[in-house]
Amino acid sequence: DTAVSQTPKYLVTQMGNDKSIKCEQNLGHDTMYWYKQDSKKFLKIMFSYNNKELIINETVPNRFSPKSPDKAHLNLHINSLELGDSAVYFCASSQPGRNTEAFFGQGTRLTVV
Amino acid sequence: GNSVTQMEGPVTLSEEAFLTINCTYTATGYPSLFWYVQYPGEGLQLLLKATKADDKGSNKGFEATYRKETTSFHLEKGSVQVSDSAVYFCALHLSFNNDMRFGAGTRLTVKP
Repeated sequence: DTAVSQTPKYLVTQMGNDKSIKCEQNLGHDTMYWYKQDSKKFLKIMFSYNNKELIINETVPNRFSPKSPDKAHLNLHINSLELGDSAVYFCASSQPGRNTEAFFGQGTRLTVV
Repeated sequence: GNSVTQMEGPVTLSEEAFLTINCTYTATGYPSLFWYVQYPGEGLQLLLKATKADDKGSNKGFEATYRKETTSFHLEKGSVQVSDSAVYFCALHLSFNNDMRFGAGTRLTVKP
């Protein structure tokens, strides 16, 4: 069983389109995250949710909207895709507490053409 | 704000060489510190962690010590192997809001 799974693994789309990436975790964690990894491997936090509540919302364009229907799911919807959105997007989850670690999905490689 | 700064790569070493990847942090609060590793085409996975000052995390021959006085958590390994080739990320976690921040990643290549 995959702990954190995201779909799709690859996504190629044209500029201006709207797309969604789904993430699910079966670890029972309360917190989920979205990170963006650029071509230089820099990993930047975008959002975090705790029990369906938005906790962290970094400086991310309004075109990106996270949705958490329940604490096991955190989806990312992107409107009006731009070339600069091309990256690998990682979903992760963790349980609150000091002795915690994040579990990552396999990533979604988004290519905007 | 909370941030992690780590040594820029890429780092290329010969097998059995000594590895150090520097990491320093800035945090509003008392973070836990981590090193994660990313193999090609995969997500990140935990390598080691330390939750309080002077703790040493270790795994697979890698070590890092939580130094509060220098706000550092440098990764070391005495003798690297080809299979250690990957991208290494230093990270901090703050428990009061579950903020988890990563450094820029350091790509390590080990040659036979």
